[in-house]
Amino acid sequence: LAKTTQPISMDSYEGQEVNITCSHNNIATNDYITWYQQFPSQGPRFIIQGYKTKVTNEVASLFIPADRKSSTLSLPRVSLSDTAVYYCLAPFTGNQFYFGTGTSLTVIP
Amino acid sequence: ETGVTQSPTHLIKTRGQQVTLRCSSQSGHNTVSWYQQALGQGPQFIFQYYREEENGRGNFPPRFSGLQFPNYSSELNVNALELDDSALYLCASSLAAVVSGELFFGEGSRLTVL
Repeated sequence: LAKTTQPISMDSYEGQEVNITCSHNNIATNDYITWYQQFPSQGPRFIIQGYKTKVTNEVASLFIPADRKSSTLSLPRVSLSDTAVYYCLAPFTGNQFYFGTGTSLTVIP
Repeated sequence: ETGVTQSPTHLIKTRGQQVTLRCSSQSGHNTVSWYQQALGQGPQFIFQYYREEENGRGNFPPRFSGLQFPNYSSELNVNALELDDSALYLCASSLAAVVSGELFFGEGSRLTVL
C-alpha cells in the first residue's frame, strides 16, 4: 500500500517558521494533498489542501512541486498552541485516506 | 466545533463483547468514514459510507461493520472484542464520496477492552 512519509518529530522555538515536508511518491493524478492537525484526545482538524504549486490560508501555506511527489507545510511564527501532531494525507484509492504516524511538533518557549 | 458528534465518549468492555458507536454527521454531509486510532499511532481507515452504502474499506476484519442511516448518521459495530481493539474511534463526515474535500472529525469514542 502506497503511503506518505514524514519526519517523526520536530522541535521549534516560538516565533519561528516551521516547515514540515511529506513525501508521497505514488500520488495519483486526481489526488489532492491535505494536511491535518491533531491535539491529544481530539479528532484531527483540517489545516490546508492543495493540488499543485502554492496554497495559502490564514494559518498555513502549502508548497507542492511540479512532480507532486512531495509537499511542504509551512507554519509561520509558531506559538505554543501549535504543539500538535501534523498529518499529511493523499488518498491513493480515491476514497481511502492513509494518515501514517504524522509529525509531532513541539514548540519551545 | 465541526458539527460532528460521537457517542459515547468513553466506554469499557470486556473481551468477547460487542460494542456500537454512534456518529451524527455535520449538516448536509452525505459521506461518513470511521477510523481507529491506537495510542501513539495515526488514525487507521476502517470504512466509508456514502448514501447508506459502504464504498471503501480498510484492512479490518468483518467483525467491524457499519451502517449509515437516511439522515446520514452512522454506527460502527464491533463484535467479539479483542484487547487490541482498545483505541480512539473517530468518525468523519464530508460532502462527497470521491474525497478531494476536507474531512470533519468528531472528538472520538475511547474504547477500552479489558
